[in-house]
Amino acid sequence: LAKTTQPISMDSYEGQEVNITCSHNNIATNDYITWYQQFPSQGPRFIIQGYKTKVTNEVASLFIPADRKSSTLSLPRVSLSDTAVYYCLVVFDTGGFKTIFGAGTRLFVKA
Amino acid sequence: DARVTQTPRHKVTEMGQEVTMRCQPILGHNTVFWYRQTMMQGLELLAYFRNRAPLDDSGMPKDRFSAEMPDATLATLKIQPSEPRDSAVYFCASGLVTGKFRDTGELFFGEGSRLTVL
Repeated sequence: LAKTTQPISMDSYEGQEVNITCSHNNIATNDYITWYQQFPSQGPRFIIQGYKTKVTNEVASLFIPADRKSSTLSLPRVSLSDTAVYYCLVVFDTGGFKTIFGAGTRLFVKA
Repeated sequence: DARVTQTPRHKVTEMGQEVTMRCQPILGHNTVFWYRQTMMQGLELLAYFRNRAPLDDSGMPKDRFSAEMPDATLATLKIQPSEPRDSAVYFCASGLVTGKFRDTGELFFGEGSRLTVL
């Protein structure tokens, strides 16, 4: 399974755009890139998933270059409530989407 | 509002006791995961099932942990005997995999069972 590397922590201010980059050098053809968000005392929550190029939903965008060896989660205009841990995962397609979490990035949004 | 339900939410027990955690996945979901979260190790995948069949339980200590799905509405994680190092938050998650290309793979997590073994 592909291993992911992402920054341990990031700081931002309210209203700014936050970009969290994740590297996954040995991603395989059938793998997807998925991001989850976790608040204290809660289970992770799915944010977005992509395979290549760009994916956008109501809360975030995911940018994946052609070689797929990295990906960037973009959070537009963050607020204090976006303070959380963000996990980048490479999900193996066959066999039921084996989903393994890395250490995650702790995002602190300041006023 | 469909959600994954886990019981108990909190459990304090003594070393050597049996602990059983239960999970009710979202109706219609065919994939169930068990994770353990600690400060030191983060989120660890213990086991996961598809259509009630275990696909992978390599993350579980086999001598004391067991995971089962007696039916489609119940998944259980049992620890016997429990040890202090088992203290953690245990999460259950469910998802729907249709087998079609580019399933989303989105998992829905429960609120977790916080286990403390004294």
